Amino acid sequence: EAGVAQSPRYKIIEKRQSVAFWCNPISGHATLYWYQQILGQGPKLLIQFQNNGVVDDSQLPKDRFSAERLKGVDSTLKIQPAKLEDSAVYLCASSLASHRSSTDTQYFGPGTRLTVL
Amino acid sequence: AQKVTQAQTEISVVEKEDVTLDCVYETRDTTYYLFWYKQPPSGELVFLIRRNSFDEQNEISGRYSWNFQKSTSSFNFTITASQVVDSAVYFCALSEKEMWGAQKLVFGQGTRLTINP
Repeated sequence: EAGVAQSPRYKIIEKRQSVAFWCNPISGHATLYWYQQILGQGPKLLIQFQNNGVVDDSQLPKDRFSAERLKGVDSTLKIQPAKLEDSAVYLCASSLASHRSSTDTQYFGPGTRLTVL
Repeated sequence: AQKVTQAQTEISVVEKEDVTLDCVYETRDTTYYLFWYKQPPSGELVFLIRRNSFDEQNEISGRYSWNFQKSTSSFNFTITASQVVDSAVYFCALSEKEMWGAQKLVFGQGTRLTINP
């Protein structure tokens, strides 16, 4: 079974530029998550989708970050304009998350390492 | 609010030694889930174990074992006879169950484990 796919793996931009990351979850997984992992820290949830709807975006800096999952499958996370403090690894995860499931596990992609100069 | 503390920032041991990674959590819920993930240098978070709050049985999987103690709010991870391939950053995470099955993970800061030959 294919895992969570992310692209690009690395991106270097200058501050105030825009950037977009793409994620394709494991087939059949209803829930998709975007995390930000700053160097030396644990991942922090940015946004959570259930199918194509947003469940939780309370920690997403909405003035510059946006995300969409239009067809309930793959997703795009965008930053516009980027700041120096956005330098981090952006991780995508997916899970089965059925209402009939009493337990759930998130599976992560390899991440996109963003450097803002 | 949920919180996970991994007090050990870095641990370095010689191959074949046993090593324990500590994890202490805080939550007000009676139903919650605890996880351990491994992050090798490649960057991808690899799922190791999930434990729910009603199951205090310790678990062993090969050289890995986990000790869950609700009385001390701890979920420690032990690697027996460590190997160089175990070198990675290890994250402990906590989640409270959402009504529809998906889980919002809160991660600790991580412990960087280095196994020296």
